Amino acid sequence: AQKVTQAQTEISVVEKEDVTLDCVYETRDTTYYLFWYKQPPSGELVFLIRRNSFDEQNEISGRYSWNFQKSTSSFNFTITASQVVDSAVYFCALSEGRIYNQGGKLIFGQGTELSVKP
Amino acid sequence: DTGVSQNPRHKITKRGQNVTFRCDPISEHNRLYWYRQTLGQGPEFLTYFQNEAQLEKSRLLSDRFSAERPKGSFSTLEIQRTEQGDSAMYLCASSYGQGDGYTFGSGTRLTVV
Repeated sequence: AQKVTQAQTEISVVEKEDVTLDCVYETRDTTYYLFWYKQPPSGELVFLIRRNSFDEQNEISGRYSWNFQKSTSSFNFTITASQVVDSAVYFCALSEGRIYNQGGKLIFGQGTELSVKP
Repeated sequence: DTGVSQNPRHKITKRGQNVTFRCDPISEHNRLYWYRQTLGQGPEFLTYFQNEAQLEKSRLLSDRFSAERPKGSFSTLEIQRTEQGDSAMYLCASSYGQGDGYTFGSGTRLTVV
């Protein structure tokens, strides 16, 4: 069965601090996709990244970086020099490869609410 | 195209009433999804369409729920005989093929009183 666990329910940091959001997943598939989404107070889920299971190279996009480790089934997300505008709920999600390629569902974690204080 | 549009943004209804939500996906997207999100939880999959065909339904979608996507364009989600447990945010998303993840709408927040 698929499962995504985001153990951190809430994180509070002061602006300019670095912060890492943890994501641990479970799947029996060898081909799968992992995602991160941001949900600001407006409610709309904003896509941040998709990673497939064969690409373990870490990715950096501006202040955002992602660390994918298959050995520990983790796909962690780091925000460097956090800003107040980063305050939101962040979700990690998983889709098994066959299901995703056929247009199927994402399995989301419970989310981590990040609060960045000035 | 301005993205995925959902209407209404908010709906308050009395228990036992029927409600219908509408989702207008990005025009070139052939896949459309409905998710439900309760407070403090991640979105949970309800159903999805490829064009006008409903290809998968979650067990969460009881017989009081029905979704349609006539002509493969907009979609409606109807809940009959609403219950307090139906109170949630109902999210719609669309994609074209695999895409880079789905594009989500802002959701319809349902409150059943």
